[in-house]
Amino acid sequence: TQLLEQSPQFLSIQEGENLTVYCNSSSVFSSLQWYRQEPGEGPVLLVTVVTGGEVKKLKRLTFQFGDARKDSSLHITAAQPGDTGLYLCAGVGAQKLVFGQGTRLTINP
Amino acid sequence: DAGVIQSPRHEVTEMGQEVTLRCKPISGHDYLFWYRQTMMRGLELLIYFNNNVPIDDSGMPEDRFSAKMPNASFSTLKIQPSEPRDSAVYFCASSLINQPQHFGDGTRLSIL
Repeated sequence: TQLLEQSPQFLSIQEGENLTVYCNSSSVFSSLQWYRQEPGEGPVLLVTVVTGGEVKKLKRLTFQFGDARKDSSLHITAAQPGDTGLYLCAGVGAQKLVFGQGTRLTINP
Repeated sequence: DAGVIQSPRHEVTEMGQEVTLRCKPISGHDYLFWYRQTMMRGLELLIYFNNNVPIDDSGMPEDRFSAKMPNASFSTLKIQPSEPRDSAVYFCASSLINQPQHFGDGTRLSIL
């Protein structure tokens, strides 16, 4: 069974600070996705990383895929209260997604 | 364009009752997925369909759970009989082949 482990599970920081969320697996995935989920809603796709070593930026969010395509990280610069939410990584394989447990992020004003 | 539509949004029922969750995928999408989300286990894939045919139901917890897709615009997930441990948020998602999945807003199910 392919498993994805995210860390930390919970993170509460002050507005303006930087943070990094990690997603690790013992399995290789064809690609990896990051989602953000708000209360009462379904996950919404932020980015897909495909190539080992790939780095993608989405405004203040930087996503990196590990060289071996087993791990990924999400770095947020100068976090804002609007970044609050549940962040999920998901490994992609043959139409199926395997999700990590998620990181619940709270940005305090 | 309408997204994935799930109903009901909330369901509260007593254990032993039959529960039916409904999903309307995005028009034209040929893949449909059912997930369950709990604090303990996170978001887990239960079953997915391609062109209305179940492809992988290995995530369905037990025989009390069943899913159908009678046509391209409708799917149901049924639990009979329901148990308190089935309480969770159930999500439906749809996609085109090799394209990102689009999730509905889920059904919050509480079994008393």
